[in-house]
Amino acid sequence: EIVLTQSPGTLSLSPGERATLSCRASQSVSSSYLSWYQQKPGQTPRLLIYGASNRAIGIPDRFSGSGSGTDFTLTISRVEPEDFAVYYCQQYGSAPLFTFGPGTKVDIK
Amino acid sequence: EVQLVESGGGLVQPGRSLRLSCTTSGFTFGDYAMSWVRQAPGKGLEWVGFIRSKAYGGTTEYAASVKGRFSISRDDSKSIAYLQLNSLKTEDTAVYYCTRVGRLHYDFWIWGQGTLVTVSS
Repeated sequence: EIVLTQSPGTLSLSPGERATLSCRASQSVSSSYLSWYQQKPGQTPRLLIYGASNRAIGIPDRFSGSGSGTDFTLTISRVEPEDFAVYYCQQYGSAPLFTFGPGTKVDIK
Repeated sequence: EVQLVESGGGLVQPGRSLRLSCTTSGFTFGDYAMSWVRQAPGKGLEWVGFIRSKAYGGTTEYAASVKGRFSISRDDSKSIAYLQLNSLKTEDTAVYYCTRVGRLHYDFWIWGQGTLVTVSS
């Protein structure tokens, strides 16, 4: 069974700083099937990145994804006030069919 | 505009059943796999189950935590997906989201607003 681990659990940043969020899988994940989501309090999750590195429609270019195999990264080049949220990675393919990571909370320093 | 609207949530006693509906519009429902994701209060996202399109057999997959208790079905003529929740437990309390599954990357691009299921005596 594949497990996704996200680190850090919480990332405290000031606006304008760079955010680097990690997602590590217990087994290799196809890059085609690794996605990232943003969820703000009281809101539905929003797809940010699909296929490890492709931005979804309408997502600002300050968000980028990278990685392969078991190590994936979501980077926010300069955090804006609206980016303070929880971020989840998600994989498809290995049992269980879909898995979410536990999330990384990006909050204001 | 693509829309997913969940309904059917509410307060239910442990051991009872509930059926959630996901009514969709704005896209060809039959062309897509659909999935359900839940989120317990204050917790992270948990995948619940998945139903393939009829072109891929319309078969289903479930998370271990709900397998044998929950079932997903679809009515392509009405563009609705269903989640049948049986033998409910207090730990099933969560907001249940319906999602459309991306055909190439198996991502969750489109989400409903969610419906709250509370299991309590």
